[in-house]
Amino acid sequence: DSGVTQTPKHLITATGQRVTLRCSPRSGDLSVYWYQQSLDQGLQFLIQYYNGEERAKGNILERFSAQQFPDLHSELNLSSLELGDSALYFCASSAPPAGESGELFFGEGSRLTVL
Amino acid sequence: GENVEQHPSTLSVQEGDSAVIKCTYSDSASNYFPWYKQELGKGPQLIIDIRSNVGEKKDQRIAVTLNKTAKHFSLHITETQPEDSAVYFCAATYTDDKIIFGKGTRLHILP
Repeated sequence: DSGVTQTPKHLITATGQRVTLRCSPRSGDLSVYWYQQSLDQGLQFLIQYYNGEERAKGNILERFSAQQFPDLHSELNLSSLELGDSALYFCASSAPPAGESGELFFGEGSRLTVL
Repeated sequence: GENVEQHPSTLSVQEGDSAVIKCTYSDSASNYFPWYKQELGKGPQLIIDIRSNVGEKKDQRIAVTLNKTAKHFSLHITETQPEDSAVYFCAATYTDDKIIFGKGTRLHILP
């Protein structure tokens, strides 16, 4: 158990809909990362937050947004869903301060299926 | 740009033999290069990492080498065992703590 909790584990929805994925980081970790894992694309970096502030952005679509709340949990919002958004979405947390790199602790992922 | 290339995408080795996975990174990568193992139905877990001030690091049957001049790093697993079957990802850090992953290598250990 990594200590990172993601909900829901599975989600099935229709095209055009909006969903919210939730992540609770390990106790004390200030950094939260979001990754998308599709079959042939490995782990695509979406966005990173540190202590409530957006710190780094990857190839995140404009239809997607995220935030980190004062209690450090994070939410990833996916809107106007398309078939191609079907994937496993991982959240990871990390302990080192901003500007330093260290181990990422991954949750078990949220599997999104868009029909 | 920020890119990590990983090869091969699939690797099958006989139990007891060694496995090698290679990665290259683009210019702007900084100083931290981790390797993660992902078992079926789980999130990736760190197995070993290396920082750019060392060339090699070993932990039991696992070793990682880093060649900064050539901008590549490799994972070596010796005396492979069935439980080594998994997907392995290399990664590199870029500006603002961005951690970029390779596309993964599916390792099969054959009995």
